[in-house]
Amino acid sequence: EIVLTQSPATLSLSPGERATLSCRASQSVSSYLAWYQQKPGQAPRLLIYDASNRATGIPARFSGSGSGTDFTLTISSLEPEDFAVYYCQQRSNWPGPTFGPGTKVDIK
Amino acid sequence: QVQLVQSGAEVKKPGASVKVSCKVSGYTLTELSMHWVRQAPGKGLEWMGGFDPEDGETIYAQKFQGRVTMTEDTSTDTAYMELSSLRSEDTAVYYCATGVAGGWFDPWGQGTLVTVSS
Repeated sequence: EIVLTQSPATLSLSPGERATLSCRASQSVSSYLAWYQQKPGQAPRLLIYDASNRATGIPARFSGSGSGTDFTLTISSLEPEDFAVYYCQQRSNWPGPTFGPGTKVDIK
Repeated sequence: QVQLVQSGAEVKKPGASVKVSCKVSGYTLTELSMHWVRQAPGKGLEWMGGFDPEDGETIYAQKFQGRVTMTEDTSTDTAYMELSSLRSEDTAVYYCATGVAGGWFDPWGQGTLVTVSS
């Protein structure tokens, strides 16, 4: 099983600041990595797929990069609605997609 | 666009089974690849299984093999996930989600809380 590690566990920032979230895979997943946003009491929402492609309707302030084992989700300027938990997910060893433990972005 | 609406919360005793439904609108179920993901309270996301369009079969995570059954009623565009031999560790929110582009999940249902307690 491919294990995903996310860092930091919590990121405390102010609106307008830049957020940089990391996801590391235990072995190469090529570009088969996605990012999801989850707000309290809500289902996850797909933000980024194939490492760097924004899903439909996702604002341009969200961007993804990386390949192999190291990936980054960047939020260029945090809006109030961006404070949430972010999960990465790999689909390299399908079947058997796995998720990372999440990074919580909270208000400083 | 696809919308997924799940059945309501359930409370079950250890050893019992639970069946959660996921009603599709906007598309027919035969056009979609439905998956199930669960989330224990305060924890992360765990894929349970789903339909693999390449093989035309439903595949289950090894952890749930023998305990989970995922079915579909195409006449009502409703997917079901049944989990048996429930234990307290199965207390979680269960989500249905549409598989897209070979392995991403979008959109998701609103979730169904299943509580296992004696």
